[in-house]
Amino acid sequence: DQQVKQNSPSLSVQEGRISILNCDYTNSMFDYFLWYKKYPAEGPTFLISISSIKDKNEDGRFTVFLNKSAKHLSLHIVPSQPGDSAVYFCAAHYGGATNKLIFGTGTLLAVQP
Amino acid sequence: EPEVTQTPSHQVTQMGQEVILRCVPISNHLYFYWYRQILGQKVEFLVSFYNNEISEKSEIFDDQFSVERPDGSNFTLKIRSTKLEDSAMYFCASGTSETGELFFGEGSRLTVL
Repeated sequence: DQQVKQNSPSLSVQEGRISILNCDYTNSMFDYFLWYKKYPAEGPTFLISISSIKDKNEDGRFTVFLNKSAKHLSLHIVPSQPGDSAVYFCAAHYGGATNKLIFGTGTLLAVQP
Repeated sequence: EPEVTQTPSHQVTQMGQEVILRCVPISNHLYFYWYRQILGQKVEFLVSFYNNEISEKSEIFDDQFSVERPDGSNFTLKIRSTKLEDSAMYFCASGTSETGELFFGEGSRLTVL
């Protein structure tokens, strides 16, 4: 039961251009959505989040957009840098007594110099 | 900067042996988690722990798994009798809020032979 899906296993972008990573979810009960970045042999690192009542959140080069009617969110990185090359996981949060994250399968971003 | 620390970084064990993975969460955090990632797959939720008890566990977290917070600082995951399919990277995470922002450790790689 894949509640959080990232349909693109990989993405390659030129340095300086925009990277757009996509994520779809199925459960309307999620209250927050988050993006994590992961390098090999390291734990996931929190990047940015968005509440389910918002449609956009921006932090520096990173912007997350949420389309609740489509159950879709995206992470925009502008401009992309080679150091951004990593696996990006979308995660959705169940609140209340559950309070856990459900992760997508990840998208490997390669930013070419 | 405070961080979640995990030991060991890598453990190799024989099938059927008991394994204990250790974690020191960030000191003022209240929510504790174990996740795992089988090579090439997504990060999967195992268990969440709050107020000295398990708040939720996944189907993966069967009777062979247990967690403890024995002394107020450590948070351990025990696998009683390891199976080949338990080979994975195990991540400990902790958090303060109910918005899903979790801080992950570097992971413990478990190899079951």
